[in-house]
Amino acid sequence: ETGVTQTPRHLVMGMTNKKSLKCEQHLGHNAMYWYKQSAKKPLELMFVYNFKEQTENNSVPSRFSPECPNSSHLFLHLHTLQPEDSALYLCASSQDRGGYNEQFFGPGTRLTVL
Amino acid sequence: GQNIDQPTEMTATEGAIVQINCTYQTSGFNGLFWYQQHAGEAPTFLSYNVLDGLEEKGRFSSFLSRSKGYSYLLLKELQMKDSASYLCAALDGSYQLTFGKGTKLSVIP
Repeated sequence: ETGVTQTPRHLVMGMTNKKSLKCEQHLGHNAMYWYKQSAKKPLELMFVYNFKEQTENNSVPSRFSPECPNSSHLFLHLHTLQPEDSALYLCASSQDRGGYNEQFFGPGTRLTVL
Repeated sequence: GQNIDQPTEMTATEGAIVQINCTYQTSGFNGLFWYQQHAGEAPTFLSYNVLDGLEEKGRFSSFLSRSKGYSYLLLKELQMKDSASYLCAALDGSYQLTFGKGTKLSVIP
């Protein structure tokens, strides 16, 4: 595996379900990000982790819960989501947080909440 | 707050040149990125500008004017595979990347 991988690629869940999205980067980076991409809206930064520590939470509802067990893995735990949470969830990584650091994106998880 | 503006859609002919503009307002500024995103795929890095001027990279060039809060992406010798969304993103003073809504470019024969 190379680059940034995400699983699953597609997920359909009910509002009462609990599911998790997984992201893994094989680039030796220290910073990882979760973004939400909705139709006709810009990419929205949700969470940032730098050296496994959460450095930013952009006012994301508590029904989204991130976890970063090490610099290579990032999870997004989902529970009691709403239909408006349906979107493409993108993970990205960069060398570290700060300065010029190109972000490398994974292919995303297309989430549909029924 | 942060604000990034770019056109929603553009259409251009194969072999032609197209310029995609972006204006930005951020709290502090540490550079301007352009990403390309094909439908259903991840965004991929195209360019980064932090100083005024033009950066050329093959068929793609990117320009920045910090005083005007303005950037453009120039695509030359357009090919059908260049049909994609082009995302402008500004890195603010706290190194947070704020994206525009993207410009969907359609290249027609």
